[in-house]
Amino acid sequence: NAGVTQTPKFQVLKTGQSMTLQCAQDMNHEYMSWYRQDPGMGLRLIHYSVGAGITDQGEVPNGYNVSRSTTEDFPLRLLSAAPSQTSVYFCASSYRTDTGELFFGEGSRLTVL
Amino acid sequence: AQSVTQLDSHVSVSEGTPVLLRCNYSSSYSPSLFWYVQHPNKGLQLLLKYTSAATLVKGINGFEAEFKKSETSFHLTKPSAHMSDAAEYFCVVRNSVGASKIIFGSGTRLSIRP
Repeated sequence: NAGVTQTPKFQVLKTGQSMTLQCAQDMNHEYMSWYRQDPGMGLRLIHYSVGAGITDQGEVPNGYNVSRSTTEDFPLRLLSAAPSQTSVYFCASSYRTDTGELFFGEGSRLTVL
Repeated sequence: AQSVTQLDSHVSVSEGTPVLLRCNYSSSYSPSLFWYVQHPNKGLQLLLKYTSAATLVKGINGFEAEFKKSETSFHLTKPSAHMSDAAEYFCVVRNSVGASKIIFGSGTRLSIRP
C-alpha cells in the first residue's frame, strides 16, 4: 500500500525556472492538499482540492498553481521559482469528511538559488 | 474562527520521565483534534485523534491525550519518555463544518536527555 507518494524528494532550481512537484495517492481520497514547511512557521496551506476538478487557495497560494484532473493526482506547479520558495513541501490527503485524518507524503525539499 | 496554540515551542525531558505537550484550541463548532509526530526529514505521522467519542484518546507508542472542553485543551502525554520520542509534535484542529478547515499548531520540539 503506497499511500501518498511525492516526487521528487529533492530539487534544486535557479530563480525563474519552473517545475512541478508530483503527488499521487492510492486511497481514493477526495481531499488533497499542499503545505510548505519553513523553520519556525509550522505548516502553511498552499492549495487544496475537495475532488476532481475542484481546487481552492489556502493561506499562501501566490506563485503556485494546482490542478486536479483525477482523484489520484494533485500536482503543484511553480511558475517562476523565487528564493522565497525554498522550503519543504508536503502533500496530504484524506477522505472528504470533517473528522478524517490527513495522510502525508514524505516531503519534497526544494532549493531555489 | 478557529485556532490552535501549542504552548511550548521546545520541551526537554529525561528518558524515563513523563512527557506533557500542551495544546489549546478555539473553535466555533465541535472540532476534531489530532496529534501528529514528525521525525527529522520525515513526513507527519498520526499519533492519535479525537472525534467526539471518548474524551481520553490512546494513540501509538504509548501516547494519549485528553479532550477537555471546559478548558479547550487537548494535551498530549506519555508516562515514560524514550529516546525514540525525540521529534516535532503538531496539534491540529479540523472543523466539523467544512472539510477544508484544518489548522496546524506551530509545533513543539521534544528533546530527550539520556
